[in-house]
Amino acid sequence: DIQMTQSPSSLSASVGDRVTITCRASQNIASYLNWYQQKPGKAPKLLINVASSLQSGVPSRFSGSESETDFTLTISSLHPDDFATYYCQQSHTTPYTFGQGTKLEIK
Amino acid sequence: QVQLQESGPGLVRPSQTLALTCTVSGGSISSGEYYWSWIRQSPGKGLEWLGYIYYTGNTRYNPSLRNRISMSVDTSKNQFSLKVSSVTAADTAVYYCASLEEGYYGSAYWGQGTLVTVSS
Repeated sequence: DIQMTQSPSSLSASVGDRVTITCRASQNIASYLNWYQQKPGKAPKLLINVASSLQSGVPSRFSGSESETDFTLTISSLHPDDFATYYCQQSHTTPYTFGQGTKLEIK
Repeated sequence: QVQLQESGPGLVRPSQTLALTCTVSGGSISSGEYYWSWIRQSPGKGLEWLGYIYYTGNTRYNPSLRNRISMSVDTSKNQFSLKVSSVTAADTAVYYCASLEEGYYGSAYWGQGTLVTVSS
């Protein structure tokens, strides 16, 4: 299986901060990398697919980038609604594996 | 807008078979645009992809479940289903059904999730 190593596992930040979450794939996944946001008791929400394609309705403060097997989710200026858990997922090779998650908390 | 809704028992006895159904509305399961997935999340844990099924019946499963998993599709009812046999407490989780665009482009549509507890 392809391992997705996500970091950090938790992050404390303030409204207005710029934050970056990274995900490293254990092998080449091309650009088949998705980012999800999950709030307690809710299903995950797809934010970005194919590494950098923002889903319709997702605020432009979210962005994704890639460098070989390293992928980054950036939130340019945190809003109160952004405090949640974020997951990456590779959809290049089954089984499609997720990162361990990053819990973004209010400082 | 595609909507998905899981249904099935919330309590399953150990060694029995977990069976869930996902009903798709707002679109045809046979459109060919989506593969239909199951994902689970153990309490307080991360997400685990279980597998997907296409409307033709083609499937891909997570090998971690070995031979315990099966999926089926009923195009006449716009539903797809999951079965996990020989369940243990480790199968206790929130089970989600979700779309998977073209098989690769992420899951934009999800059910609300259903908690299945394995306990005697």
